Amino acid sequence: AQSVTQPDIHITVSEGASLELRCNYSYGATPYLFWYVQSPGQGLQLLLKYFSGDTLVQGIKGFEAEFKRSQSSFNLRKPSVHWSDAAEYFCAVAPGGSQGNLIFGKGTKLSVKP
Amino acid sequence: EAQVTQNPRYLITVTGKKLTVTCSQNMNHEYMSWYRQDPGLGLRQIYYSMNVEVTDKGDVPEGYKVSRKEKRNFPLILESPSPNQTSLYFCASSLELGHEAFFGQGTRLTVV
Repeated sequence: AQSVTQPDIHITVSEGASLELRCNYSYGATPYLFWYVQSPGQGLQLLLKYFSGDTLVQGIKGFEAEFKRSQSSFNLRKPSVHWSDAAEYFCAVAPGGSQGNLIFGKGTKLSVKP
Repeated sequence: EAQVTQNPRYLITVTGKKLTVTCSQNMNHEYMSWYRQDPGLGLRQIYYSMNVEVTDKGDVPEGYKVSRKEKRNFPLILESPSPNQTSLYFCASSLELGHEAFFGQGTRLTVV
């Protein structure tokens, strides 16, 4: 069965430090891959997506993610975290095309220390 | 502005009292879905719709109903709510199944 794993439930980083949030998926073929962010009291906003092509994708708010087929991973990175990045981050996958629904990981909550 | 609108944002109700949460999108998307979000469980899909009059169960459909009579609207119906349906609910729409989803602001439901 398809699954998405975000191994870190909660991460705390200092403002200005770099960030990497991990995401691993279990699926036979290369799926469509997404990262969403949820600020407190808000809905989910798309940060970036990968369908095909260049494995390093750029998103909004200075985020990027790298697809690594050999590791079935799609980790989210940011070189310098801002206090406003404190939120919950969700990785999601879909089989691709009209083949199936989005499947979400359980999320990683990011706290930012001043 | 492209958006998904849910109403109400907050709702407290009593066990067994039927309720409807509305969802509307203005992007002419064919695919719409409902999720519930619970601590430690992430987002779980309740129902989805691939087009008008086409709906199907997601991962946790028990206790819920949906309808899709118009392309823009996808209401979630709880015929007889129970306390285990206390949750944060999100409606989402996308151009195609499996593509990026646009989410509403959420409805926090409490069933007492």
